[in-house]
Amino acid sequence: EDKVVQSPLSLVVHEGDTVTLNCSYEVTNFRSLLWYKQEKKAPTFLFMLTSSGIEKKSGRLSSILDKKELFSILNITATQTGDSAVYLCAVEVSTSGTYKYIFGTGTRLKVLA
Amino acid sequence: KAGVTQTPRYLIKTRGQQVTLSCSPISGHRSVSWYQQTPGQGLQFLFEYFSETQRNKGNFPGRFSGRQFSNSRSEMNVSTLELGDSALYLCASSLGQRSEQFFGPGTRLTVL
Repeated sequence: EDKVVQSPLSLVVHEGDTVTLNCSYEVTNFRSLLWYKQEKKAPTFLFMLTSSGIEKKSGRLSSILDKKELFSILNITATQTGDSAVYLCAVEVSTSGTYKYIFGTGTRLKVLA
Repeated sequence: KAGVTQTPRYLIKTRGQQVTLSCSPISGHRSVSWYQQTPGQGLQFLFEYFSETQRNKGNFPGRFSGRQFSNSRSEMNVSTLELGDSALYLCASSLGQRSEQFFGPGTRLTVL
């Protein structure tokens, strides 16, 4: 059965800290891995990763994928209170000629002022 | 460009009833996916529609069904509601395969 596991489940840090969130997966027919940020309701897209070793970067956030070891990390440097959210990892898998997304349960990040 | 809209935003039903949720995708998006989000299970894929056809389905019982109209708007129906169906139901739209998904604000369903 396809599985996506995120760790830690929750994290509390202080402003200015750097955090690393982990996402490991066991799936058949991997196509891509995506990171989302969910603050109140709707998840918002952060990154899509398809190739190993290529870092995607957006401001203080960066992410990298390791397709050999089957995991990805999301780094947030110089954290701010506005980074407090649930971070979701999803793996896109192909199935019967189409595709679907399998989500992890998320990492809840709280950044204290 | 307007985002994904979902109606209603909140819904309270009792066991045994049925419910229909609606999702209007971003203009031009032809793919609509539905997800159920609960604290214990996280986000779970329900089904995806593209050009009025269900392309993919997750592991949910037949009580969960959906459809898509020619204008790409989609509805999701849950019949014979159970307490465990209480969840946030999210829909996401995209242009198609390998395209970024944009999520709506969700419908919070409470089953009493």
